[in-house]
Amino acid sequence: GESVGLHLPTLSVQEGDNSIINCAYSNSASDYFIWYKQESGKGPQFIIDIRSNMDKRQGQRVTVLLNKTVKHLSLQIAATQPGDSAVYFCAENQADSSYKLIFGSGTRLLVRP
Amino acid sequence: NAGVMQNPRHLVRRRGQEARLRCSPMKGHSHVYWYRQLPEEGLKFMVYLQKENIIDESGMPKERFSAEFPKEGPSILRIQQVVRGDSAAYFCASSPTQGGNTEAFFGQGTRLTVV
Repeated sequence: GESVGLHLPTLSVQEGDNSIINCAYSNSASDYFIWYKQESGKGPQFIIDIRSNMDKRQGQRVTVLLNKTVKHLSLQIAATQPGDSAVYFCAENQADSSYKLIFGSGTRLLVRP
Repeated sequence: NAGVMQNPRHLVRRRGQEARLRCSPMKGHSHVYWYRQLPEEGLKFMVYLQKENIIDESGMPKERFSAEFPKEGPSILRIQQVVRGDSAAYFCASSPTQGGNTEAFFGQGTRLTVV
């Protein structure tokens, strides 16, 4: 659904621990999902993507899990580092308007040294 | 290989003035998308353009907002008679083909402040 301007949920983790950021998406017709990282004052930066015919995809230190049954997406960051501190957004892309990304409301990740 | 370039990075306008935001896509990219982001929120789609064509402007407010992507030069998002509620970060993204399973690269955004 639409964000109503609430404060971003925040996840605080110790440096070196693993982080899990969750996202619920809205449209069962969505077939492509992306995680973006946004640092303060910057544009969204692509992290990892996954298509609906997959349930897991791994990158360097990151893993995305997709559960289509409950329309849930998660981003796992291994060995979290201070440079990972940012706001993380999931985005979905709908088959009938494949160019239009629908962004979630975001989660702020704070990494404690 | 330069990324998506947006300028200005920061723009201050008084109520009633016009704001012009520019976006140069990545080299070889002919598809441009504009998004708006309010503080503490996700990005909201505004408009999708190809060279000389508006493909989808369903996210654009009906009045005061317009966008173009001419054959030569950057894409322009124009906001006429700005109001305080237009204050936001405006991001442009580009891709080599129409979205959909194709990574879109975002620029650093233009932060518009209406005073």
